[in-house]
Amino acid sequence: KAGVTQTPRYLIKTRGQQVTLSCSPISGHRSVSWYQQTPGQGLQFLFEYFSETQRNKGNFPGRFSGRQFSNSRSEMNVSTLELGDSALYLCASRAGAAWGNSPLHFGNGTRLTVT
Amino acid sequence: GESVGLHLPTLSVQEGDNSIINCAYSNSASDYFIWYKQESGKGPQFIIDIRSNMDKRQGQRVTVLLNKTVKHLSLQIAATQPGDSAVYFCAEAKGNTNAGKSTFGDGTTLTVKP
Repeated sequence: KAGVTQTPRYLIKTRGQQVTLSCSPISGHRSVSWYQQTPGQGLQFLFEYFSETQRNKGNFPGRFSGRQFSNSRSEMNVSTLELGDSALYLCASRAGAAWGNSPLHFGNGTRLTVT
Repeated sequence: GESVGLHLPTLSVQEGDNSIINCAYSNSASDYFIWYKQESGKGPQFIIDIRSNMDKRQGQRVTVLLNKTVKHLSLQIAATQPGDSAVYFCAEAKGNTNAGKSTFGDGTTLTVKP
């Protein structure tokens, strides 16, 4: 079974621009979560989607948004980029609530650099 | 939250020795705990998990211990190998549907010396 796929792998953007990152979960997984990883803050939860609905949201400004499609694929968008948004953005999928607690399966991330 | 127990940001062990990585979690209401391993250039990889109704769980070469009294979690790796070198994160979640919203610890970098 294929793992979580994130595209693109690397991105360089300029302050003020916007960016869209894409994630394809493991087949059959309906829950997709997004995390931001930085050396200073570690892994920080952004949001989780389940069956196209946002189920949980972390403490990030409204510039960070996401969505999930009917095939469980997900995108996250960051508008008006700031230098501090430079990070590794990780997507993770899991089987979902019907199976009780289950671990996250991560992709290898998108490395975003804002200049 | 309050931190209890010893957390080392780095740990260096000799190949073949046993490794113990510690983690203090913050939310006494958390009921699901997970250990992940992150190698350079990759996303975190699931190692082992434990629910709050247990205090010990074993996998292949790994054991997780949970002490809810002091909110402490540990990962034991037996016969550590060079391939075990990575950053290890503990994570906690609360509730049946919230594992997607896990809270991660700071991570411990394990270096295995040949």
